[in-house]
Amino acid sequence: DIVMTQGALPNPVPSGESASITCQSSKSLLYSDGKTYLNWYLQRPGQSPQLLIYWMSTRASGVSDRFSGSGSGTDFTLKISRVEAEDVGVYYCQQFLEFPYTFGAGTKLELK
Amino acid sequence: EVQLVESGGGLVQPGRSLKLSCAASGFTFSDYAMAWVRQAPKKGLEWVATIIYDGSSTYYRDSVKGRFTISRDNAKSTLYLQMDSLRSEDTATYYCARHGYYGFPYWFAYWGQGTLVTVSS
Repeated sequence: DIVMTQGALPNPVPSGESASITCQSSKSLLYSDGKTYLNWYLQRPGQSPQLLIYWMSTRASGVSDRFSGSGSGTDFTLKISRVEAEDVGVYYCQQFLEFPYTFGAGTKLELK
Repeated sequence: EVQLVESGGGLVQPGRSLKLSCAASGFTFSDYAMAWVRQAPKKGLEWVATIIYDGSSTYYRDSVKGRFTISRDNAKSTLYLQMDSLRSEDTATYYCARHGYYGFPYWFAYWGQGTLVTVSS
């Protein structure tokens, strides 16, 4: 199975500042079609997860442009610009290169 | 508006069975792969199973293979998860999720509100 390892955030993050969440995969997620099979989700407190980013850097419909995804085949970053109260929650990276699909353990973002 | 509404969760004894349902609306159900993703209390997300748009292929995580069965009724726009031989480690909130990208089991584009399954004597 592909192991997804997420980094921690230096919480709490001051409102208006930027935050970067890292994720590392045990296998390259870059496929032969040139796309990287990595997604990001946010789970706000008490809510279901929601899709933020797919194919490593494509924002899902309705997602703020304050969220951006980048990376290589095995190292990825989700950047949140100008952090707001609504960004509080747990962020998960997830690979969909192969089954079983696997998630990182999650990175909690708290606001100052 | 896409809606996924799970039902069927509850308290069940170890070794017993439970069947979850997910009623879908707001999109053409038969066009998309569907999945179940679970979350144990205070834990992270764990993919459980996926079924292709026409039900011709299914995929499971190893820990549920042979015990869980994912299925769908495209005429009723409903997804199911039959869970047999339940174990305490299956205790979790089970989310129904629609895969993104027409026909392919890619990202989880939409999620239901979840239904809690508790396996305990």
